[in-house]
Amino acid sequence: GQNIDQPTEMTATEGAIVQINCTYQTSGFNGLFWYQQHAGEAPTFLSYNVLDGLEEKGRFSSFLSRSKGYSYLLLKELQMKDSASYLCAVRSFSGGYNKLIFGAGTRLAVHP
Amino acid sequence: GAVVSQHPSWVICKSGTSVKIECRSLDFQATTMFWYRQFPKQSLMLMATSNEGSKATYEQGVEKDKFLINHASLTLSTLTVTSAHPEDSSFYICSARGDRTGDLEQYFGPGTRLTVT
Repeated sequence: GQNIDQPTEMTATEGAIVQINCTYQTSGFNGLFWYQQHAGEAPTFLSYNVLDGLEEKGRFSSFLSRSKGYSYLLLKELQMKDSASYLCAVRSFSGGYNKLIFGAGTRLAVHP
Repeated sequence: GAVVSQHPSWVICKSGTSVKIECRSLDFQATTMFWYRQFPKQSLMLMATSNEGSKATYEQGVEKDKFLINHASLTLSTLTVTSAHPEDSSFYICSARGDRTGDLEQYFGPGTRLTVT
């Protein structure tokens, strides 16, 4: 079956660095996405990995190891506005088309 | 970037009635639209995938006769929750992929919060 695991909650201090891990077991793997979602709002795209390695995008970086079924999202220089849920999503090719399978999300609380 | 809108943003209805939610791609042609449901503190669950002009593909466990999806044009998909019950109360989010988004991303709408009383 399809399974995506990430921690339920994390806390961090403003200005610090936090790493949110995601492990997955899926068939038809075709890329991994990270989204940010504030309460009551739709997810917004943060990053995409399809090959092993690190993708850096400003304060956000994402890493992928396909052999280990593992990814992480690294947030640097944390700001209060980074308090949100972070969703790991695997794109899976199944039944002739791609679809996103989401993890349950990690709620990050950034404190002063 | 590509913009997706949803209407209404929230709706309250009585048990047994039907509710229609619209999803529009405003500045691109959406060849594929996805409908998700999200319960409080849970992740997004894909309900169905629709391609313009063809029948929607529903995920396992989603009742296609209860959640009617129509993708009649390249800019509009609708989800109708028929005979709604309190357990259908949820946050419904659509996303779209098309000629401007490429195959890389789906762009999400702002969501519709449905409350069934």
